[in-house]
Amino acid sequence: EVHLAESGGGLVQPGGSLRLSCAASGFIFSNYWMSWVRQAPGRGLEWVATIDRDGNEKYFVDSVRGRFTISRDNAKNSLYLQMDSLRGEDTAVYYCVRDPRASDYWGQGTLVTVSS
Amino acid sequence: DVVMTQSPLSLPVTLGQPASLSCRSSQGLVHDDGNTYLSWFQQRPGQSPRRLIYKVSTRDSGVPDRFSGSGSGTDFTLKISRVEADDVELYYCMQSTHWPYTFGQGTKLEIK
Repeated sequence: EVHLAESGGGLVQPGGSLRLSCAASGFIFSNYWMSWVRQAPGRGLEWVATIDRDGNEKYFVDSVRGRFTISRDNAKNSLYLQMDSLRGEDTAVYYCVRDPRASDYWGQGTLVTVSS
Repeated sequence: DVVMTQSPLSLPVTLGQPASLSCRSSQGLVHDDGNTYLSWFQQRPGQSPRRLIYKVSTRDSGVPDRFSGSGSGTDFTLKISRVEADDVELYYCMQSTHWPYTFGQGTKLEIK
């Protein structure tokens, strides 16, 4: 059974950093592109970043480009999102998503709150 | 970026009656590979989105056949043939043809 488990969320001050992790199981992780999608409280869904199978191609939404980094460790079946220079508008639940084009499996999400 | 516009944002429904949710894209969603990557998701409060429909009209495994997707070009529709209480949730459309992938604002089904 496919399972995606995010971790690393929490409260951080504006300008701070946080690293999210997503542990994948139940499928061959290295065969799939992966993404992070976020949802601000009471708001809609927004794509944040996508990475290809080998970690060579990376795509970011304009609002996070230059501040966020996406990476993966296929040996550990793990996806990461390094978030720097965090802003209030980055407050959201962050979801790990398998195969962005298909978006067939989502994790339960981890909440990031940016506030002083 | 491709703008996805869902309507209505709130849809009062009567249990046992049909419901139709609309999703329009600001540009065509046919990919170079010939596929149209338009998906529908259902989201319950406090849960992650669940995909119901992909590539416009293909239903996911386990999704009741009262859900159907249709459309082409820039106009797409999710139909529920007979709304059940379990269906009264939030629904999003999403395009994954053009990066950045984008979602509609969501349509909230409510009991009339």
